[in-house]
Amino acid sequence: GENVEQHPSTLSVQEGDSAVIKCTYSDSASNYFPWYKQELGKGPQLIIDIRSNVGEKKDQRIAVTLNKTAKHFSLHITETQPEDSAVYFCAASRVDSSYKLIFGSGTRLLVRP
Amino acid sequence: DAGVTQSPTHLIKTRGQQVTLRCSPKSGHDTVSWYQQALGQGPQFIFQYYEEEERQRGNFPDRFSGHQFPNYSSELNVNALLLGDSALYLCASSWNTGELFFGEGSRLTVL
Repeated sequence: GENVEQHPSTLSVQEGDSAVIKCTYSDSASNYFPWYKQELGKGPQLIIDIRSNVGEKKDQRIAVTLNKTAKHFSLHITETQPEDSAVYFCAASRVDSSYKLIFGSGTRLLVRP
Repeated sequence: DAGVTQSPTHLIKTRGQQVTLRCSPKSGHDTVSWYQQALGQGPQFIFQYYEEEERQRGNFPDRFSGHQFPNYSSELNVNALLLGDSALYLCASSWNTGELFFGEGSRLTVL
């Protein structure tokens, strides 16, 4: 069945360093890949997304890359700040499935001041 | 502009009881999806409602049912509660582009 694997499960970095979270998906028909940030006691918030017709997308300190051949996509956060500390989830879906999202298991990011 | 609102925020039930959770979508959104998030895990898709009909369903038993009203708001009902139903229930709304906006969730504890 459809599956998304996410690594690492926890990540601790020094403030100012970069953080990279990687995901692999199983459904080759997936063509929409969002990333969500979830803070304690809150719902997930979309931070960036990418569609299969592009290989990379950047928004200030956040970037996402997609390798459709390998079925991998990654989140890159540069110049990390303590407020980046949260749980990050990747997800995959097909546009023609009305955006039913399959989520990864999450990465807890801790940015040490 | 209010985002997705869910109620109640927290509730406690006992095994065998029934629960109803409510969701109001973001203004302008016509599609509502429900997800279950167990502690320490990613959200899992329960079902999606569009034009007052269930459009898609995940791998959840028939004890989980829903409804969408003409004003696009939605309810999630769970019957015959089990201990394993304890989770954060997330509602997400969307429109044409597919970007999902999530609410803060309803945390259900089943004792």
